[in-house]
Amino acid sequence: AQSVTQLGSHVSVSEGALVLLRCNYSSSVPPYLFWYVQYPNQGLQLLLKYTSAATLVKGINGFEAEFKKSETSFHLTKPSAHMSDAAEYFCAVSAPTGGSYIPTFGRGTSLIVHP
Amino acid sequence: ETGVTQSPTHLIKTRGQQVTLRCSSQSGHNTVSWYQQALGQGPQFIFQYYREEENGRGNFPPRFSGLQFPNYSSELNVNALELDDSALYLCASSSDQGSSYEQYFGPGTRLTVT
Repeated sequence: AQSVTQLGSHVSVSEGALVLLRCNYSSSVPPYLFWYVQYPNQGLQLLLKYTSAATLVKGINGFEAEFKKSETSFHLTKPSAHMSDAAEYFCAVSAPTGGSYIPTFGRGTSLIVHP
Repeated sequence: ETGVTQSPTHLIKTRGQQVTLRCSSQSGHNTVSWYQQALGQGPQFIFQYYREEENGRGNFPPRFSGLQFPNYSSELNVNALELDDSALYLCASSSDQGSSYEQYFGPGTRLTVT
């Protein structure tokens, strides 16, 4: 079984401030981990993914995430928030289930960026 | 390279009716997954098709059914619509090639049941 917990349904930051979105996972086997972004009325776009290589993963738009096995975490960060980063962010865990990979998504965190 | 497309964009149906949603997968992808995203929630897995066979199913009743065609496009059918079926339905395609299981999402179909 696998699950994802995203701490905080809303995160509010000022433009230029550090962005930190938290994600904790549960998986009985080594997982793949993903962060997706969703803009209003759109589908999900992959930001970055962890697939058991480097624990610090760099993605698009200046985002990065660090896989910490001891803490079962995969938090998303960006050094300096931009107004265009305002969106819904989803963490997902994917582990083999009966020969296929079925991702489980968190409930999402809405990032609000103030000017 | 063509991305994942879904049709229609929006749909309004009445309780008890049936609906069919369509998805064209990204070129080269042989796996399609369908998700239901209720307002303010994360996507919930409905089912997955791999080379025209159902390859996994989430906690959804049998009135949610699907098909995958030889060109790997897919349909999601929902019978006996209920008000709670109102949601954004997302299709995602992927390939069994490579070392990671990365899904590419379409823009979704917004279904409203009245």
